[in-house]
Amino acid sequence: ILNVEQSPQSLHVQEGDSTNFTCSFPSSNFYALHWYRWETAKSPEALFVMTLNGDEKKKGRISATLNTKEGYSYLYIKGSQPEDSATYLCAIRAWGSQGNLIFGKGTKLSVKP
Amino acid sequence: SAVISQKPSRDICQRGTSLTIQCQVDSQVTMMFWYRQQPGQSLTLIATANQGSEATYESGFVIDKFPISRPNLTFSTLTVSNMSPEDSSIYLCAQTGDYGYTFGSGTRLTVV
Repeated sequence: ILNVEQSPQSLHVQEGDSTNFTCSFPSSNFYALHWYRWETAKSPEALFVMTLNGDEKKKGRISATLNTKEGYSYLYIKGSQPEDSATYLCAIRAWGSQGNLIFGKGTKLSVKP
Repeated sequence: SAVISQKPSRDICQRGTSLTIQCQVDSQVTMMFWYRQQPGQSLTLIATANQGSEATYESGFVIDKFPISRPNLTFSTLTVSNMSPEDSSIYLCAQTGDYGYTFGSGTRLTVV
């Protein structure tokens, strides 16, 4: 059974701070890694889908890297804003799956103005 | 990408009763996934629903407890049967696309 670990569990930063979170996963059977942002009372929103070792993706102030050989991904937020406050979910799709994802518990980010 | 309407958004139910959650997609999708998130836990897959065939349930989930309907390629329901407080969770439907999953808005269920 794949196990996806995210750290830290929660994070409190000041507006303008840059921050990063970690997602760890077993490197065998890896097919793709997803990052989502989940704001309270809303649907989880896809941020990135990454497949290749060394992949780096960017969307505005948010970026992510992927290391499939050692089984980790980092999500970076530059200059955090209060609207970045959300739970950030990492999920793995394994080879041979029907497309279902295995999620970590998430990192809850709170950005204080 | 597809847009999924999910309802109800929240409900408080008595133990022993059942609740049916509906997801309507604005385009045809082959597979739909049903997840739940219990308090403090990760999103966990309940089952995968294909149109025209029985849903595939993950270990620990059974059809009698979580019957799923998938009458066409744009609609699916999940019923939480004979509810107990342990069923208090957020339930989400989802479909897969080129840029990741699209999720419904979620159903926050509290069983008292």
